[in-house]
Amino acid sequence: AQTVTQSQPEMSVQEAETVTLSCTYDTSESDYYLFWYKQPPSRQMILVIRQEAYKQQNATENRFSVNFQKAAKSFSLKISDSQLGDAAMYFCAYSGGNTNAGKSTFGDGTTLTVKP
Amino acid sequence: ETGVTQTPRHLVMGMTNKKSLKCEQHLGHNAMYWYKQSAKKPLELMFVYSLEERVENNSVPSRFSPECPNSSHLFLHLHTLQPEDSALYLCASSQDRRGAGETQYFGPGTRLLVL
Repeated sequence: AQTVTQSQPEMSVQEAETVTLSCTYDTSESDYYLFWYKQPPSRQMILVIRQEAYKQQNATENRFSVNFQKAAKSFSLKISDSQLGDAAMYFCAYSGGNTNAGKSTFGDGTTLTVKP
Repeated sequence: ETGVTQTPRHLVMGMTNKKSLKCEQHLGHNAMYWYKQSAKKPLELMFVYSLEERVENNSVPSRFSPECPNSSHLFLHLHTLQPEDSALYLCASSQDRRGAGETQYFGPGTRLLVL
């Protein structure tokens, strides 16, 4: 079974600084997808960034980028120029490409605090 | 209305009550999901529906009963719940459950408290 581990329950960053949230996963599949979702306080969870495992290039989305290390099964999220609105719980998620297509496994989440 | 909506947003019920949670998606998606989010626990997938057919049931107790009358609506019927069932219940949808790597779109959740 696939597992997703987020080893940092809480992180904090100063406004305008950079922070990296870590995520590791375990799978025997070669084809899969990885996601970072953001859940602000009392608001809906939304997709931050998505990575296809077959792509070597790291996904980026404005101030958000990932460091995808397939061999190490690591998928960290870097937030540059942090803003107060980035404060949220961040979930790393895995979705299988074949037999478990469509079923996502989520990590425990990392609560990010942004200090003004 | 756009996206995924859920009602009610908050619910308090006794252990002998029967209630239902409703989810509606306005995205034209074919797959819908129920998740349970408890404090200090990972998101737990409960049920998955694809084209109104239940395709996943993750050993959820029978006191939770899902219903998907069409691809836009999903219900979770609750009866004889326990205090440990108190949690945030999230609904999500995606284009097609069988599509690998699809982004899920979440509703705001129903905060449930069982007394």
